[in-house]
Amino acid sequence: ETGVTQSPTHLIKTRGQQVTLRCSSQSGHNTVSWYQQALGQGPQFIFQYYREEENGRGNFPPRFSGLQFPNYSSELNVNALELDDSALYLCASSSGTEHEKLFFGSGTQLSVL
Amino acid sequence: GESVGLHLPTLSVQEGDNSIINCAYSNSASDYFIWYKQESGKGPQFIIDIRSNMDKRQGQRVTVLLNKTVKHLSLQIAATQPGDSAVYFCADSSGGYQKVTFGTGTKLQVIP
Repeated sequence: ETGVTQSPTHLIKTRGQQVTLRCSSQSGHNTVSWYQQALGQGPQFIFQYYREEENGRGNFPPRFSGLQFPNYSSELNVNALELDDSALYLCASSSGTEHEKLFFGSGTQLSVL
Repeated sequence: GESVGLHLPTLSVQEGDNSIINCAYSNSASDYFIWYKQESGKGPQFIIDIRSNMDKRQGQRVTVLLNKTVKHLSLQIAATQPGDSAVYFCADSSGGYQKVTFGTGTKLQVIP
């Protein structure tokens, strides 16, 4: 069984740039959720994708957007990067029968300078 | 707004002792609760879960207790080992699109 994989592991961007983060879900999982984790904080829900559609969104502005592909992999896009976007971005996959039981990847550490 | 929070930011425990990590939640509609363990440089790892129709659930060396009356959740780790050192998060879900809300975390330090 293949776990959740994320790429890249680390990324450095400057303010105003755009970034795309990628996630491959665990085999057999059709739901992907994205979380932002600031240093010393718990993960904050960004959005969830199920069957290629956004299936819920947290309190994040529209410049945070996503996609889910037919193979259930997913992308998180952030436009017009701000310094406060510096964080660990976590992807989690879950199955259709247990959406809340999340399996996380190791995350992408984004630094915005 | 609704939140899931933890009582203690850091907990130090002697190796071999039992650990208890507490969590308070405020969303009365929460019906599913999860504990995650996060080691440095890794994503959160699922430990154990419990539904609101239960008040206790046991796993391997771990037990989760749920008190819906006072909206309190605890994680008990038996015979704590150095490998248990990590940050522990409680999280909850209240149905709908299954958004899972995390607390701020408790750092468990195991003293050899």
